[in-house]
Amino acid sequence: GEDVEQSLFLSVREGDSSVINCTYTDSSSTYLYWYKQEPGAGLQLLTYIFSNMDMKQDQRLTVLLNKKDKHLSLRIADTQTGDSAIYFCAEGDNNDMRFGAGTRLTVKP
Amino acid sequence: KAGVTQTPRYLIKTRGQQVTLSCSPISGHRSVSWYQQTPGQGLQFLFEYFSETQRNKGNFPGRFSGRQFSNSRSEMNVSTLELGDSALYLCASSSGSDEQFFGPGTRLTVL
Repeated sequence: GEDVEQSLFLSVREGDSSVINCTYTDSSSTYLYWYKQEPGAGLQLLTYIFSNMDMKQDQRLTVLLNKKDKHLSLRIADTQTGDSAIYFCAEGDNNDMRFGAGTRLTVKP
Repeated sequence: KAGVTQTPRYLIKTRGQQVTLSCSPISGHRSVSWYQQTPGQGLQFLFEYFSETQRNKGNFPGRFSGRQFSNSRSEMNVSTLELGDSALYLCASSSGSDEQFFGPGTRLTVL
């Protein structure tokens, strides 16, 4: 099975909150990451969390980590049309990383 | 600081040919990783080079190879191309700490 799993699609209305969920299998990973990929572009690191943290907040982004359940989530507050993109969850250490398939977020005006 | 650059951005090849992709990391970064992104398989790790040495390797056949030069620039080579090699190839650079910076990718189409 896959090491990192995400739902493939999420659609929200502008101004609502978006929550993207991810589950992973490797409990030894030191870091967990969220990347954003816009059409025609590479991956942009949004945020990351140490595996010994439960939560990290960065402006409109909130990352929650449930290490017991190996569940990671990304909450985007006040979602804007510019947030429409594919969001990848990833786990790993340094430069050996495993990615989920990506969640395509569509923001409707 | 300039970001990670990859050349070419787009490439069309035919089956059986070989291809070389190039990646220039952020200045001062010594680690370069390569990833393949396809709709069916998602994003998969190919290999990582650090100071001209391959440090990590994913689960890809030997047709996929790479190297890194003394200026940290890296090349990836795919020989005997197959249709399934059509993908977006992403390069990422790192100083060796936890954050990777990705390039825009090279979109390879194999006909």
